[in-house]
Amino acid sequence: AQKITQTQPGMFVQEKEAVTLDCTYDTSDQSYGLFWYKQPSSGEMIFLIYQGSYDEQNATEGRYSLNFQKARKSANLVISASQLGDSAMYFCALITGAGSYQLTFGKGTKLSVIP
Amino acid sequence: SQTIHQWPATLVQPVGSPLSLECTVEGTSNPNLYWYRQAAGRGLQLLFYSVGIGQISSEVPQNLSASRPQDRQFILSSKKLLLSDSGFYLCAWNLLAGVYNEQFFGPGTRLTVL
Repeated sequence: AQKITQTQPGMFVQEKEAVTLDCTYDTSDQSYGLFWYKQPSSGEMIFLIYQGSYDEQNATEGRYSLNFQKARKSANLVISASQLGDSAMYFCALITGAGSYQLTFGKGTKLSVIP
Repeated sequence: SQTIHQWPATLVQPVGSPLSLECTVEGTSNPNLYWYRQAAGRGLQLLFYSVGIGQISSEVPQNLSASRPQDRQFILSSKKLLLSDSGFYLCAWNLLAGVYNEQFFGPGTRLTVL
């Protein structure tokens, strides 16, 4: 069975600073993908960034980067130059080759950006 | 471009009443469709997915059912709601399942059962 753990229920960051949101995962599958989604107060889930288990480079998308440490089974999200609009819930999610229809989500981290 | 719609946006229902939530996708054909539930302060839990018309897979046994009467329509139903059915229901789609393909989510329906 696969599992995602997000240990930070809430985080605060000063505007324009960088912040790291932690995510660890557990799967026995060799082929898997990791996703980060942002959920603002409106409720919609917005896809941010993806990392595949066979990707050698860490994924980057604009201000978002993923610090992928495969041996430690961690996939932390780094947001650079935080903006007020980054305040939201952030979810890490895992999909495996064996369960390719099922995204397994962590419980999320609530990020608050302070002006 | 593809868009996904859900309605209603919010719903308040008494215990024991029926439920029907609708999800439609525009701008694509033969998508995989998914229903998730998010309880307050929790992550998302996959309830059902569908790879085609009339094909439904259930991930969690419960009080709910799903149907896919048309290619781009996915319906979540219940004959009798329970208090524990309260939550935020999200529909999602993608074209290909697998480790390389993100799911795209709709705006969600917030259900309160009283």
